[in-house]
Amino acid sequence: KAGVTQTPRYLIKTRGQQVTLSCSPISGHRSVSWYQQTPGQGLQFLFEYFSETQRNKGNFPGRFSGRQFSNSRSEMNVSTLELGDSALYLCASSREGLDTEAFFGQGTRLTVV
Amino acid sequence: SQKIEQNSEALNIQEGKTATLTCNYTNYSPAYLQWYRQDPGRGPVFLLLIRENEKEKRKERLKVTFDTTLKQSLFHITASQPADSATYLCAREGDDKIIFGKGTRLHILP
Repeated sequence: KAGVTQTPRYLIKTRGQQVTLSCSPISGHRSVSWYQQTPGQGLQFLFEYFSETQRNKGNFPGRFSGRQFSNSRSEMNVSTLELGDSALYLCASSREGLDTEAFFGQGTRLTVV
Repeated sequence: SQKIEQNSEALNIQEGKTATLTCNYTNYSPAYLQWYRQDPGRGPVFLLLIRENEKEKRKERLKVTFDTTLKQSLFHITASQPADSATYLCAREGDDKIIFGKGTRLHILP
């Protein structure tokens, strides 16, 4: 079966702009979670969506937001981009939530210049 | 706040030996711990999840333990192979989120 698909794979944006990243989960998975990975901070949890509702949230500013659609596809938005937002953004899907096996996508590499 | 630490940034193990990676956590015991493998340029791959009431879990050459007294999880790869070389991440649940360690880069030497 198809894995988790993230688009785009690479993105370059300018400070102050906003960006939207997309994640298509594995068919049948209702939970989608988002992560930011940087060399300095490692992998950090952003938020989790389940059946179109945000269920858990990490310690990121309000500039980071997301949503989930009825088909479980999810989008993540970052507004007013800062240089420090440059990172690999990963999404993962699972059947029921964070305590079940999660399948990660390849990630979107965001560079803010 | 909850923390999780992986003691070694990097670990070199001879092929055929058992590799043991350590993950320590603070504060209360998490309901579960997870272990992932990540290769360069790719997303993490789920390996094992162990719950608080489980002391040990196995999957093929992999074994994970959960010691709530020591506040520690150990991840073992037996009969290690060069293909096992990767970064291994542990993660805990806590404060309504999942918290990852910084990872251990494992090198299996032929």
